[in-house]
Amino acid sequence: DSGVTQTPKHLITATGQRVTLRCSPRSGDLSVYWYQQSLDQGLQFLIQYYNGEERAKGNILERFSAQQFPDLHSELNLSSLELGDSALYFCASSAPAGKETQYFGPGTRLLVL
Amino acid sequence: QKEVEQDPGPLSVPEGAIVSLNCTYSNSAFQYFMWYRQYSRKGPELLMYTYSSGNKEDGRFTAQVDKSSKYISLFIRDSQPSDSATYLCAMSVNQAGTALIFGKGTTLSVSS
Repeated sequence: DSGVTQTPKHLITATGQRVTLRCSPRSGDLSVYWYQQSLDQGLQFLIQYYNGEERAKGNILERFSAQQFPDLHSELNLSSLELGDSALYFCASSAPAGKETQYFGPGTRLLVL
Repeated sequence: QKEVEQDPGPLSVPEGAIVSLNCTYSNSAFQYFMWYRQYSRKGPELLMYTYSSGNKEDGRFTAQVDKSSKYISLFIRDSQPSDSATYLCAMSVNQAGTALIFGKGTTLSVSS
């Protein structure tokens, strides 16, 4: 158990809908990262937040957005969902000192029908 | 050319075998190299973390980094059926606090 929690574990929805994925980082970690894992693209970085501020953006679509709250939990919002958005979405967190690498949560499996 | 290349396998070995997993990369700025293990339907789990070139050993696992060749390896000695998983290499330019760039993963199956 990495200490990173994600909810829900599974999500089934329809095209055009909007969903919110939630992540709680390890105790004391200030950075939260979101990754998408699909069969064809592998694990790809989406976005990073550090202590409530956006720190870096990767291959994140404009239909996707994220935020980190004062209690450090983070939410990833996916809107106007398409079939191709079906994937595993992982959250990871890292320690503020930067001496450790990222620890991943169990993921949310999203299926868009 | 992808930044990180990893042979997807699958790789099948008998119990007790030595396993060699490899990744190549194109970005010479990468300095931090990691190996993650991912069991089916689970999140990636950090196995090894190394900085720059050299070797690092942890139990049955040895990670090697050759920056001159842009090549990293993970060796598993005395492989066990419980080692059956997908192994992902990952890299970053800076220490924790930046995005990790992953290989697509190699699926390993160890038979008893």
